[in-house]
Amino acid sequence: DIQMTQSPSSLSASVGDRVTITCRASQSISNYLNWYQQKPGKAPKLLIYRASNLQSGVPSRFSGSGSATDFSLTISSLQPEDFATYYCQQSYTTPITFGPGTKVDIK
Amino acid sequence: EVQLLESGGGLVQPGGSLRLSCTASGFTFTPYAMSWVRQAPGKGLEWVSTIGASGGSTYYADSVKGRFTISSDKSNNTLYLQMNSLRAEDTAIYYCAKDMTQWLETLDYWGQGTPVTVSS
Repeated sequence: DIQMTQSPSSLSASVGDRVTITCRASQSISNYLNWYQQKPGKAPKLLIYRASNLQSGVPSRFSGSGSATDFSLTISSLQPEDFATYYCQQSYTTPITFGPGTKVDIK
Repeated sequence: EVQLLESGGGLVQPGGSLRLSCTASGFTFTPYAMSWVRQAPGKGLEWVSTIGASGGSTYYADSVKGRFTISSDKSNNTLYLQMNSLRAEDTAIYYCAKDMTQWLETLDYWGQGTPVTVSS
């Protein structure tokens, strides 16, 4: 199975900060990498698919980049509604696997 | 508007069975794969099972293979997960999710989840 790691596991940031979360795959997954946001008690929400494509309706302050084994999710200017946990997920091969998550909370 | 509504969760004893349902609205099943993903209390996301758009292809995580069965009824846009021989480690919120494609790739819509607790 492809293992996904994320860093940091948590971070504290202020409204307006630029935040970057990284995700690494244990082998090359081309650009088969998705990012999800999950708020407490809620279902995950798709933000970015195929590494860099913004899902419809997602604010443009979210962006994704990377290929092969190294990927990143950037929030250009953190907003109050962005405090949540973020998961990466590889879809290169079955079983699809998720990263352990990065919790973004208020400084 | 795409909506997914799960039901069927609850408290069950170890070794017992449950059948989860997911009713979809706002789209038709046919062109898309559908999946179940679970989240144990305080933990991350774990893929459980997927049924391809045709309904003929099914995929399972090793942790549930042989115990869980995914199926769908396209006539009423409902996805199912039959869970047998349940274990304590199956305790989780179970989410139904729609894929963007006919295969297992990108989960673009999720239901609100149904909780399953396996305990004596």
